Amino acid sequence: RKEVEQDPGPFNVPEGATVAFNCTYSNSASQSFFWYRQDCRKEPKLLMSVYSSGNEDGRFTAQLNRASQYISLLIRDSKLSDSATYLCVVGGGNNRKLIWGLGTSLAVNP
Amino acid sequence: GAVVSQHPSWVICKSGTSVKIECRSLDFQATTMFWYRQFPKQSLMLMATSNEGSKATYEQGVEKDKFLINHASLTLSTLTVTSAHPEDSSFYICSAPKTGWESGELFFGEGSRLTVL
Repeated sequence: RKEVEQDPGPFNVPEGATVAFNCTYSNSASQSFFWYRQDCRKEPKLLMSVYSSGNEDGRFTAQLNRASQYISLLIRDSKLSDSATYLCVVGGGNNRKLIWGLGTSLAVNP
Repeated sequence: GAVVSQHPSWVICKSGTSVKIECRSLDFQATTMFWYRQFPKQSLMLMATSNEGSKATYEQGVEKDKFLINHASLTLSTLTVTSAHPEDSSFYICSAPKTGWESGELFFGEGSRLTVL
């Protein structure tokens, strides 16, 4: 089992749609969780951290389920500019490293 | 604006030559920098952790003699791909945590796309 696993997609959705991504992780000792966004042939950029209580930033909502060891990202009212690859990142644990998922590709269509 | 700058953005070289990539933190001191490699449609793979004033820590399977890392100052780390071969062609990205690394907020350089002919 991969340490961090994501559905690679691609997810093709129309503008205005709501889309959700899930990410599972294998190390129960993981302490920190993040969603990064990576545009094609560009460097990743932090989208949001994921807190135990869940957190929201505008149209983006992130949630953590420690019992089931997964985190989620919900994007409401999708915009064309949301098209990108969304990377799940899990950190902490025994080896104190950040582990990156393969990413989920999102294409928002007009 | 960018807080981590990487140079060059693109490099094409002949097989057997060496290529140096620079990574600079622009408005903060980075005692630690991370070097990643990303192949097409793959995730970022950590190659090594660069530590200012000491030896870099390499991940398993990464040849330290091939990928030379130097972190001579608090704002500059360099990665030199020695005797590059076509299989080394990849997107190399550096990053640095502005606060503690465990915050997870890594600032990335723009990346360097290496093509070895």
